[in-house]
Amino acid sequence: TQLLEQSPQFLSIQEGENLTVYCNSSSVFSSLQWYRQEPGEGPVLLVTVVTGGEVKKLKRLTFQFGDARKDSSLHITAAQPGDTGLYLCAAPGGTSYGKLTFGQGTILTVHP
Amino acid sequence: DAMVIQNPRYQVTQFGKPVTLSCSQTLNHNVMYWYQQKSSQAPKLLFHYYDKDFNNEADTPDNFQSRRPNTSFCFLDIRSPGLGDAAMYLCATRETGPGYTFGSGTRLTVV
Repeated sequence: TQLLEQSPQFLSIQEGENLTVYCNSSSVFSSLQWYRQEPGEGPVLLVTVVTGGEVKKLKRLTFQFGDARKDSSLHITAAQPGDTGLYLCAAPGGTSYGKLTFGQGTILTVHP
Repeated sequence: DAMVIQNPRYQVTQFGKPVTLSCSQTLNHNVMYWYQQKSSQAPKLLFHYYDKDFNNEADTPDNFQSRRPNTSFCFLDIRSPGLGDAAMYLCATRETGPGYTFGSGTRLTVV
């Protein structure tokens, strides 16, 4: 079983602060995804990274895929209360049907 | 426009009373998934369909069944819900890319 370890599990910060969430594994992945889930809603795909060393930016969010494709990070600059939610990393579980293995998630709370 | 639609958004059922959750998609994706997500935890895959081929996860309880009558619809049947089955149930679809499209989920409460 391929495991994804996310850290930290909880993050509570003030508006305007920066933060980084990490997703690590001992396995190599062909791709890795980040989702954001708001309370009472389903996860929404933020980004997919596929190339080792790849960096993708989505407004104030920066996603990085490790050179060895075993880890990834999500960095948020100048966090806003609207960024509050559960952040999940996920990677293909190895089957041809695209089963995703999820990390445990990071609950982010941004206080005004 | 919602592309993966789950109904109802909130479902309350009695302990032991069968309940069915539904999912429909307008994407014409060939793969559909059902996940169970308990509070502030990662989603856990219950089963998935590749077209009409059903694939059950090894640790999915027998209490959970699924039906996919056509490409657009997929149902989750819980034959005898227990208190431990209270959770958010998420439906997702996928075509050829790695990303899923999730529905908004159905929050199941068992009383």
